[in-house]
Amino acid sequence: GAGVSQSPSNKVTEKGKDVELRCDPISGHTALYWYRQRLGQGLEFLIYFQGNSAPDKSGLPSDRFSAERTGESVSTLTIQRTQQEDSAVYLCASSLDRGGNEQFFGPGTRLTVL
Amino acid sequence: AQSVTQLGSHVSVSEGALVLLRCNYSSSVPPYLFWYVQYPNQGLQLLLKYTTGATLVKGINGFEAEFKKSETSFHLTKPSAHMSDAAEYFCAVSLRRALTFGSGTRLQVQP
Repeated sequence: GAGVSQSPSNKVTEKGKDVELRCDPISGHTALYWYRQRLGQGLEFLIYFQGNSAPDKSGLPSDRFSAERTGESVSTLTIQRTQQEDSAVYLCASSLDRGGNEQFFGPGTRLTVL
Repeated sequence: AQSVTQLGSHVSVSEGALVLLRCNYSSSVPPYLFWYVQYPNQGLQLLLKYTTGATLVKGINGFEAEFKKSETSFHLTKPSAHMSDAAEYFCAVSLRRALTFGSGTRLQVQP
């Protein structure tokens, strides 16, 4: 595909349920990032993958959050036992892994926890 | 640690007027600097970026920004606002890889 794609575009879940969000990066992009955007706020970094290196998980807010990426392809972000404060838009981005390289963002997944 | 401050969560200008969106950063070393725009119900799109070299950076849609190291600023400007410029604008800084974003400035353009 031409750009970063994410699915689902919208997800409504009940408090306490687990959710899984998917990101398909641009082909050939070795770096992949997950960010969270709460309503009316800027983006918060969650996690960064680069090739087969250990991911940078420094932005994950709690151990209920985890993410996986196989090689340089699809990534999934999993939130266990969702809480209302997890409601946000989750954005994925990918880039060629060079300093200062542009990150290309997907359209996001809007998560609503009831 | 790095951080980004965007002064003014909302800016309103008249069509044809100058647009000035302010961004200040803090970083222990010169960072890479970015401006992204988010149109309603759309993803983020890169407007422009500063990595090295010329400190005045030109981007898409007539926007430009100037990196001023002495002021730790990277303000975004456009000489003449269009109605289509109404959107949310985010300044971001990168030292290693992940971006640190400011809280955003929503630009309104009045007819």
